[in-house]
Amino acid sequence: TQLLEQSPQFLSIQEGENLTVYCNSSSVFSSLQWYRQEPGEGPVLLVTVVTGGEVKKLKRLTFQFGDARKDSSLHITAAQPGDTGLYLCAGAGRGSQGNLIFGKGTKLSVKP
Amino acid sequence: DAGVIQSPRHEVTEMGQEVTLRCKPISGHNSLFWYRQTMMRGLELLIYFNNNVPIDDSGMPEDRFSAKMPNASFSTLKIQPSEPRDSAVYFCASRPPLTSGRENEQFFGPGTRLTVL
Repeated sequence: TQLLEQSPQFLSIQEGENLTVYCNSSSVFSSLQWYRQEPGEGPVLLVTVVTGGEVKKLKRLTFQFGDARKDSSLHITAAQPGDTGLYLCAGAGRGSQGNLIFGKGTKLSVKP
Repeated sequence: DAGVIQSPRHEVTEMGQEVTLRCKPISGHNSLFWYRQTMMRGLELLIYFNNNVPIDDSGMPEDRFSAKMPNASFSTLKIQPSEPRDSAVYFCASRPPLTSGRENEQFFGPGTRLTVL
């Protein structure tokens, strides 16, 4: 069974701080995605990483895919209250149909 | 463009009643996914369809759950009879064809919050 473990489960920080959240698995994934979910809404895709060692930047967010394609990290620089939300990682499951396996998420709260 | 549409947004029902959740995917998307989200278990895939055909329903918890997709623009998830442990937020997501170059991106609806008393 393919599982994705996310840590920490909860994170509460002050505006301006930096943070890193992690997504780990014992399985290899062909690609990995990060979604952000705000209260009362569905998850929204932030980024997809495909190549081992790949680094992608989205403004203050930096995403990295592990060399072995089993893990990923999301680093946020100078967090802002607007970054508050649930961050979910998702890996492409086995087979060719492209379903996703989601981690349980990291709930981030950024206080002004 | 309209996103994925789900109805109702909130549903409160009593144990034993039938519940039907509805989803309209984004036009042109050929895959549709039903998920359930709880604090304890996170986001769980229940069933997904490709071109209106159910591909994998191994996530459907029990025979009380059933899903249909009669055409490309409509899907339902039915729970009969409902139980308190079914209380959760149910999401529908759709995806464009994998050949479209959209990186396997799923587009989620706003969800239906179900409470079974």
